[in-house]
Amino acid sequence: AQSVAQPEDQVNVAEGNPLTVKCTYSVSGNPYLFWYVQYPNRGLQFLLKYITGDNLVKGSYGFEAEFNKSQTSFHLKKPSALVSDSALYFCAVRDSSSNTGKLIFGQGTTLQVKP
Amino acid sequence: DAGITQSPRYKITETGRQVTLMCHQTWSHSYMFWYRQDLGHGLRLIYYSAAADITDKGEVPDGYVVSRSKTENFPLTLESATRSQTSVYFCASSDGGEISPLHFGNGTRLTVT
Repeated sequence: AQSVAQPEDQVNVAEGNPLTVKCTYSVSGNPYLFWYVQYPNRGLQFLLKYITGDNLVKGSYGFEAEFNKSQTSFHLKKPSALVSDSALYFCAVRDSSSNTGKLIFGQGTTLQVKP
Repeated sequence: DAGITQSPRYKITETGRQVTLMCHQTWSHSYMFWYRQDLGHGLRLIYYSAAADITDKGEVPDGYVVSRSKTENFPLTLESATRSQTSVYFCASSDGGEISPLHFGNGTRLTVT
C-alpha cells in the first residue's frame, strides 16, 4: 500500500534559520511527490513537485525539496525561514494505482517560525 | 475570476439532516476531488470524478453521495448527517495526468450537532 509519513507534528525554528520539514514515502513504482502549504482558514496551495530528474526541486516562496530514493524521503527545506512561513505543511504522493491524479496525503506538520 | 469556489464556508446542521456542499470550478478541469480534513488524519479522499457523469469512491465514501452532471460542478451530499461527519471539506480540481497538481478551494467547515 502506498503511504506518506510526516514524523513531526510540529517544527519550531527561529526567523532567519534554515528549516526542514520531513517526509518519507512508500510507493510501488515511480514516486510522484508533492508539497502543499495551508494557511489558516484557507485551502491547500501547491508548493512544488518531484516527478523525475534533479533530486533538488525548487518551488514557490523560496522553498525547495530534496528527493532521496535510497532513504525514500522528500524533505522540504528553506535556507532562511520567515515568520510568514508559519503554516501547516502537507507532503503527498500520487496514487499510482490509477491515472486519475489522486493524491495520498501525510498527516501534516505545523511549522512555527518565531521572530 | 477563475478558480475553484466552495459554498457555504460554514454550515451547522443537525444529526439526520441532508446537507449538500457545493463546488464550482472555472478552469474546465477534467478531474475533481472531495477530501475531508480531520486532526490526526490529514486529508482523506471521499470521492473523485474523472469527467462529467464519471465518479468513483475514494478512501472514506460511506455516508456521502456525489454527482457531476456538468464539468464545472461537483456537489457533495451527506444523505443523513452524523456527528462523525463534522469536519472541514475541501474540493479540488486538476487538468488531469499523473503530474498535474491539485488546486483546492477554501473549504467548508461543517458541524453536525
